[in-house]
Amino acid sequence: VQLVESGGGLVQPGRSLRLSCVASGFTFDDYAMHWVRQAPGKGLEWVSGINWNSGTTGYADSVKGRFTLSRDNAKSSLFLQLNSLRPEDTAFYYCARGPYGVVTHFDYWGQGTLVTVSS
Amino acid sequence: AIQLTQSPSSLSASVGDRVTITCRASQDISGALAWYQQKPGKSPRLLIYDASTLESGVPSRFSGSGSTTDFTLTISSLQPEDFATYYCQHFYSSPLFGGGTKVDLK
Repeated sequence: VQLVESGGGLVQPGRSLRLSCVASGFTFDDYAMHWVRQAPGKGLEWVSGINWNSGTTGYADSVKGRFTLSRDNAKSSLFLQLNSLRPEDTAFYYCARGPYGVVTHFDYWGQGTLVTVSS
Repeated sequence: AIQLTQSPSSLSASVGDRVTITCRASQDISGALAWYQQKPGKSPRLLIYDASTLESGVPSRFSGSGSTTDFTLTISSLQPEDFATYYCQHFYSSPLFGGGTKVDLK
């Protein structure tokens, strides 16, 4: 199993960014997928999750209405659209697999991509 | 919303020590709890899920116990590679992590 994130970078407050995660080594559309973030030196925070067929999505209250999660099963890819970014969104963003669905633990994690929101 | 209180926030231990970390939920979460290990600059690694099920490939010195609101992660004999930060996480509703426990060398 391998999860590879990309798309992070430095962005100004109020702007947008799109993160991607490409999965390999397992049948992508058998699993829910998630994003978990970690501000530098801080703890872990679940951001969003999506079930296998995109029928169910969930978001943390801190990102609801600003972030949008989607997936492309044909490309084994997961996407997180980050809009109206705030300095407190600065974090490493990890893609993770959820074996139990949208409400789950996380059995595989990517290496993370860093999003820095600063003017 | 369910809250998770993890304790202690840090501890110092020696190789060979038995280490216990606790996680308390603000309401009954049945057995919907997982434990992770994270080393500096690395992604978290799943150790335990469903409160007491050892993830494949995780050494047997790690064990989890508990149910309803009180849970424990135990390392029976601390090894050099176990110095890290440990997190609990519930999945009874929207996933939530505890604040973490940093285990360092005494």
